[in-house]
Amino acid sequence: EDKVVQSPLSLVVHEGDTVTLNCSYEVTNFRSLLWYKQEKKAPTFLFMLTSSGIEKKSGRLSSILDKKELFSILNITATQTGDSAIYLCALSPSGNTPLVFGKGTRLSVIA
Amino acid sequence: NAGVMQNPRHLVRRRGQEARLRCSPMKGHSHVYWYRQLPEEGLKFMVYLQKENIIDESGMPKERFSAEFPKEGPSILRIQQVVRGDSAAYFCASSPRLGGKNTEAFFGQGTRLTVV
Repeated sequence: EDKVVQSPLSLVVHEGDTVTLNCSYEVTNFRSLLWYKQEKKAPTFLFMLTSSGIEKKSGRLSSILDKKELFSILNITATQTGDSAIYLCALSPSGNTPLVFGKGTRLSVIA
Repeated sequence: NAGVMQNPRHLVRRRGQEARLRCSPMKGHSHVYWYRQLPEEGLKFMVYLQKENIIDESGMPKERFSAEFPKEGPSILRIQQVVRGDSAAYFCASSPRLGGKNTEAFFGQGTRLTVV
């Protein structure tokens, strides 16, 4: 069974800190791994990763995938209170199979 | 181009009533997915539909839950005889097609169902 495990489940940091969120997975047929940010409502798409070792970057956020060790990390540098959210990692297996989500990491950034 | 639209945003039902949740996918998207999110949990897949077809309903409870995506109109998730345990946020996502360039799903704002 395809599975996604995120750690930590929750994290509290101060503004300006750098955080690393982890996502490990098990999958039969891998297509891609996706990261979402969920604030009060809908998850919003952050990154899609398909190849190992290629860092995706968007402002202070970056993410990388290791297909050999079956994990991905999401880094946020110089955190701000607006980064407070649940960060969801999702696996997109190949074929007509929908996304499989982890439980998420709840990040709280305090001033 | 409007995003994925879900309505209602909030729905309160008494135990035993029916709940109908609607989802209009993004324009040009023919794949719709329903997910349920319980408090402190991640998103759990329920059902995947294309127009007039249920492709995968492996995440749907066997009783009381049904989903459709008709040729015209929104996708509907229907919960009959609701119970307190059905209280959750229900999210709909759409994507253009699997196997294409953009395989990320776009999510609606969700419907928060509260059963009293």
